[in-house]
Amino acid sequence: QQQVKQSPQSLIVQKGGISIINCAYENTAFDYFPWYQQFPGKGPALLIAIRPDVSEKKEGRFTISFNKSAKQFSLHIMDSQPGDSATYFCAASERNRDDKIIFGKGTRLHILP
Amino acid sequence: DTGVSQDPRHKITKRGQNVTFRCDPISEHNRLYWYRQTLGQGPEFLTYFQNEAQLEKSRLLSDRFSAERPKGSFSTLEIQRTEQGDSAMYLCASSPRRASGKVNEQFFGPGTRLTVL
Repeated sequence: QQQVKQSPQSLIVQKGGISIINCAYENTAFDYFPWYQQFPGKGPALLIAIRPDVSEKKEGRFTISFNKSAKQFSLHIMDSQPGDSATYFCAASERNRDDKIIFGKGTRLHILP
Repeated sequence: DTGVSQDPRHKITKRGQNVTFRCDPISEHNRLYWYRQTLGQGPEFLTYFQNEAQLEKSRLLSDRFSAERPKGSFSTLEIQRTEQGDSAMYLCASSPRRASGKVNEQFFGPGTRLTVL
C-alpha cells in the first residue's frame, strides 16, 4: 500500500512558469512533510518541509501548500528555471519518527529553456 | 567534502555473488540510514542505526541482507547470494542527534548503484 501518492509522474514547464506537484496521504499520524530534490547521480536533498499546524510555507521560489482536512499537500515552484530540472519527491513521517521517512514515487520535472 | 560518502559508486556483479557497500556519514552524526531506490521509485527505508545500535529493520531487508556500524561511525551493507531483483541504488543518509522538539534532517550520500547480471 502506497502511503504517499504523488502526481504527476512527469511534468514539463516553460521557463518562467509555475511548476505544481501534488501529494496525498492517508495516515493521520503523519506530522512532518518534506520535499526532496534529486539530480541525476546524486542523492536526494531536502528542499523544504512543513508541519501540519500551518497551511503554507514559502522559501524563495518554493512554496508548500498544505490542506490537512483533505490530507493533501503540494509544491509550487514559481518562475521555474532550467536549473530546477530534477526529480522531486514528497515524503512524510510520523510524530517522533523522523528516522523513518516514507517517500512518494517522484515527479520528473523538466523546465524548457 | 564533508558530506555523506559512499563506496563504491557503481558495482556490477553476477547473480549469487556477495557484495558489500560502505557508507561514511557526516562527522558526529549519530544516526545512519540505509535506503533502496529502484528506477522510477522513491527511496525505500531499509534500516537505521543510532550510534552502533541497529534500531529498526524494514521487512524489505531479507535475511540475505546485513548491515553493521561497529564503532558508531561508518557502516557497511552486505548482500549475500545476490539476485537480479537486488539491482537498485542503495542510498545512505545520516542525521545529527535530535534536538528537543526539532525534526532531524537526513543528509543523503550519492548512492551505490548495484547491477546484478
